[in-house]
Amino acid sequence: DAKTTQPTSMDCAEGRAANLPCNHSTISGNEYVYWYRQIHSQGPQYIIHGLKNNETNEMASLIITEDRKSSTLILPHATLRDTAVYYCIVHARRALTFGSGTRLQVQP
Amino acid sequence: GAVVSQHPSWVICKSGTSVKIECRSLDFQATTMFWYRQFPKQSLMLMATSNEGSKATYEQGVEKDKFLINHASLTLSTLTVTSAHPEDSSFYICSAPGVSTDTQYFGPGTRLTVL
Repeated sequence: DAKTTQPTSMDCAEGRAANLPCNHSTISGNEYVYWYRQIHSQGPQYIIHGLKNNETNEMASLIITEDRKSSTLILPHATLRDTAVYYCIVHARRALTFGSGTRLQVQP
Repeated sequence: GAVVSQHPSWVICKSGTSVKIECRSLDFQATTMFWYRQFPKQSLMLMATSNEGSKATYEQGVEKDKFLINHASLTLSTLTVTSAHPEDSSFYICSAPGVSTDTQYFGPGTRLTVL
């Protein structure tokens, strides 16, 4: 699975958009970009995934660059409950390899 | 979305005893499930892949005789930590892939504390 690079931590004001970047420059053609998050002391939660087109669901939007070497997860209106560690994972097989993720702190 | 449960949510045991953790897919069948371990302030580490009706496959460095995995049905996988020691204290999490996608659905985790 391709390696990903994410900032260690980010802050965001409540109600504002949170934009979480991820670099995956070694991604191969059949690998999807997945985003999960883990709220403290809970199991990870699936957020969104994509291959090359931008995706949107009720939780977030995923923007993937044309060369697929990076992506951005957008939480359009962050709330305090969005405080969590966000993992960007690139994979083609089912088991996931978790990096360090980005610790997002939403501030009131 | 698909729901995965784990039982118990937390357990405290004495050193040398064995502990069984259950992982269930509640509204879908899973021929494959995954077990992860997470130490404080660290990320999740894959321990093993549980395969229904066959032997589990373990990641490098994970002792298969210590972490026994049984996947006896399409909705249940169990992880037994045998002869637990304090260094086995951790957060154990299972996951299962969705029926038609590779999206993983995670259980809520089991916190094991070995005294």
